[in-house]
Amino acid sequence: AQSVTQLDSHVSVSEGTPVLLRCNYSSSYSPSLFWYVQHPNKGLQLLLKYTSAATLVKGINGFEAEFKKSETSFHLTKPSAHMSDAAEYFCVVTLYNTDKLIFGTGTRLQVFP
Amino acid sequence: EAGVAQSPRYKIIEKRQSVAFWCNPISGHATLYWYQQILGQGPKLLIQFQNNGVVDDSQLPKDRFSAERLKGVDSTLKIQPAKLEDSAVYLCASSLGGHTNHEQYFGPGTRLTVT
Repeated sequence: AQSVTQLDSHVSVSEGTPVLLRCNYSSSYSPSLFWYVQHPNKGLQLLLKYTSAATLVKGINGFEAEFKKSETSFHLTKPSAHMSDAAEYFCVVTLYNTDKLIFGTGTRLQVFP
Repeated sequence: EAGVAQSPRYKIIEKRQSVAFWCNPISGHATLYWYQQILGQGPKLLIQFQNNGVVDDSQLPKDRFSAERLKGVDSTLKIQPAKLEDSAVYLCASSLGGHTNHEQYFGPGTRLTVT
């Protein structure tokens, strides 16, 4: 069965420093993987998605993620954090051949000035 | 384009009471989803509609939860009677159709507190 594990429940960075949010996946098939962001009192927003095309995926707001099959990872990165990046981030995999989303437990990103 | 609308945004009820949530998806989106997000966890799918038919309700606690999408547009999710463990954010999402490449668009959610 497909699943994702977010390795950090909280990540704190200073503004202007790099961001790394880690996600490992488990799948018997080539998965579709996503990162969603959830700002307080707002809906989930899609940051980026991997669907078996290029392994380096660029998303909105300067985020990108790299699909590494050998490491079963899909880590989210950003070169320079901004205060507005503070939010909850979810790594998500789809159930094979469906549109059903399986969410990780989330990583709360704090950005300090 | 207008996003997914949900109401109410917040609701506080006592256990054993009933409650209903409403969702209006993005115009033209055939697929509608209801998720439950318990504090500290990722959202979990409760039910999925394709137009006005149920595609998947395997995770819906049918003894107390019900949902409908009568005209294939907006939807209501009801809990009767509520339990303390139903305290959560209930998210509605919609997409163009049931395909892995179709993005799901989420509403702001309804935060339910059961006391």
